[in-house]
Amino acid sequence: DQQVKQNSPSLSVQEGRISILNCDYTNSMFDYFLWYKKYPAEGPTFLISISSIKDKNEDGRFTVFLNKSAKHLSLHIVPSQPGDSAVYFCAAESSGDKLTFGTGTRLAVRP
Amino acid sequence: DVKVTQSSRYLVKRTGEKVFLECVQDMDHENMFWYRQDPGLGLRLIYFSYDVKMKEKGDIPEGYSVSREKKERFSLILESASTNQTSMYLCASSFLGLNTEAFFGQGTRLTVV
Repeated sequence: DQQVKQNSPSLSVQEGRISILNCDYTNSMFDYFLWYKKYPAEGPTFLISISSIKDKNEDGRFTVFLNKSAKHLSLHIVPSQPGDSAVYFCAAESSGDKLTFGTGTRLAVRP
Repeated sequence: DVKVTQSSRYLVKRTGEKVFLECVQDMDHENMFWYRQDPGLGLRLIYFSYDVKMKEKGDIPEGYSVSREKKERFSLILESASTNQTSMYLCASSFLGLNTEAFFGQGTRLTVV
């Protein structure tokens, strides 16, 4: 049972445009959500997070939006850069418990 | 800078061998985790530990065991390696508590032949 789902396995975007990565979850007990970025042959690195008491968190070019009623979160990258090309994982946790990850979306930013 | 170090980047082992994957963190984190990453399946939790000598099964513990004798070290053991355990293995650590992110090691690409 996949509690965290990333339905788009891949996304291709032109440099300078917006990248939108989506994530859906089924467990209403999740209260903290994170995005990780992973390059090939490296471990994932933390990108940005959001608590369930917020609906938006912004950090430079990266913004995460949370829609609790729809159990949906998204990561916006504006403007997209070639160095953003990587696999992006969303993750969720409940009350400090272990992280549950999605299946990942591979983002390709075309120059 | 948080450092999570996995002992090997690449490993090739034979079916039936006992395999040890080691992970060390230097940030005094209470929590440590072992995940495996497979195409189309994302990161799946194998085992985790909240304290020394303590372990909890994750989502896919079958065929694996773990050891945490010291706070900074968390070992994953494949008792008898099989080809379906060929994967990327990722160790992570985090502080105990709410709203904390996990920090990952660089990963170990294990191939079982």
